[in-house]
Amino acid sequence: GENVEQHPSTLSVQEGDSAVIKCTYSDSASNYFPWYKQELGKGPQLIIDIRSNVGEKKDQRIAVTLNKTAKHFSLHITETQPEDSAVYFCAASMGRFNKFYFGSGTKLNVKP
Amino acid sequence: DAGVTQSPTHLIKTRGQQVTLRCSPISGHKSVSWYQQVLGQGPQFIFQYYEKEERGRGNFPDRFSARQFPNYSSELNVNALLLGDSALYLCASSLNEKLFFGSGTQLSVL
Repeated sequence: GENVEQHPSTLSVQEGDSAVIKCTYSDSASNYFPWYKQELGKGPQLIIDIRSNVGEKKDQRIAVTLNKTAKHFSLHITETQPEDSAVYFCAASMGRFNKFYFGSGTKLNVKP
Repeated sequence: DAGVTQSPTHLIKTRGQQVTLRCSPISGHKSVSWYQQVLGQGPQFIFQYYEKEERGRGNFPDRFSARQFPNYSSELNVNALLLGDSALYLCASSLNEKLFFGSGTQLSVL
């Protein structure tokens, strides 16, 4: 089955700096890669996603890049704010009706 | 619009007991999935249902079962609870490939 690895496990940045979280996947059949933000006591919230036919996607301060050849994808957060502090999860899926495989999470701490 | 709703939010059980968790998907979503999230880890897939049919099952023992009702709501049942079943149980509904999660049910097994 698919195996998703995520790094780093913790990340501490100063407010206004950029943060980058990286994930690798093992199954070349995976074609959908979402990122989730999970705050304490809440369920994961979808923040951005990318399909395998796209190399990059941006939504305001958040961007995701995908390298299909190397089987890795990354989340980039620019101009970080204290409210960006949370645990971020990457995931991989082979599309509709297929299970999602999640990374182990990155705890992001943005220091004011 | 209401998101995915789960009940109860917290539950305490003892070993050997049985538990039923409930989920209502986002209106218009016909697919419901269940995930288990152990503290400090990413969610792990348990089941997926679409139009009341099981579409996928993760690597969980037969003590775990689920069903989906005509109104697309779903229940997850766990029998003969073990200490290791303590986790956050997440329900998600999906439209196309996008997965939207509820806030989960925190299950503690003592």
